Amino acid sequence: GQNIDQPTEMTATEGAIVQINCTYQTSGFNGLFWYQQHAGEAPTFLSYNVLDGLEEKGRFSSFLSRSKGYSYLLLKELQMKDSASYLCAVRDSNYQLIWGAGTKLIIKP
Amino acid sequence: IAGITQAPTSQILAAGRRMTLRCTQDMRHNAMYWYRQDLGLGLRLIHYSNTAGTTGKGEVPDGYSVSRANTDDFPLTLASAVPSQTSVYFCASSDSPTNEQFFGPGTRLTVL
Repeated sequence: GQNIDQPTEMTATEGAIVQINCTYQTSGFNGLFWYQQHAGEAPTFLSYNVLDGLEEKGRFSSFLSRSKGYSYLLLKELQMKDSASYLCAVRDSNYQLIWGAGTKLIIKP
Repeated sequence: IAGITQAPTSQILAAGRRMTLRCTQDMRHNAMYWYRQDLGLGLRLIHYSNTAGTTGKGEVPDGYSVSRANTDDFPLTLASAVPSQTSVYFCASSDSPTNEQFFGPGTRLTVL
């Protein structure tokens, strides 16, 4: 079967760094996405990785290792507005997105 | 209109009733999707359409139907609602199945 695993909840302090991990087992791999979803709102696109390595975009970076079936999202200089759920999704061999249940990130002052 | 709109925002529905959730996008995206999001579960694909005139079944299609008569609209119909269809429904679109998806604001549906 297809499976995406992420921690259910994480807590971090404002100004700090947090790493959210995602491991996956899917039928085929055609890229990995990270989305941010604030409570009661729609998911919004953060990053996309298809090759191994680190993609940096401002305070957010995403890393992929295809051989390990592993990705992480790194958030630096945390702000209160970063409190949200972070969703990992893998595009499978049929080009459909398989979604993890999301990681709820709580930022404390 | 800018992006994707969904209607209604929320709805309470009696079991057995028919309901259509509307989704419209103005980005001229070819691909559109319907997901449901339930607490503790990831987004699950119900139906999708890679281009106007075509549709396909996702992971959880039973009890739902879709149509794609034109590029902009992708309505989702529940023929006879059941309580297990209580969920938040998101419509999404992308300019191709290989690119990132943009989401509408969602419809919160409660079936009693």
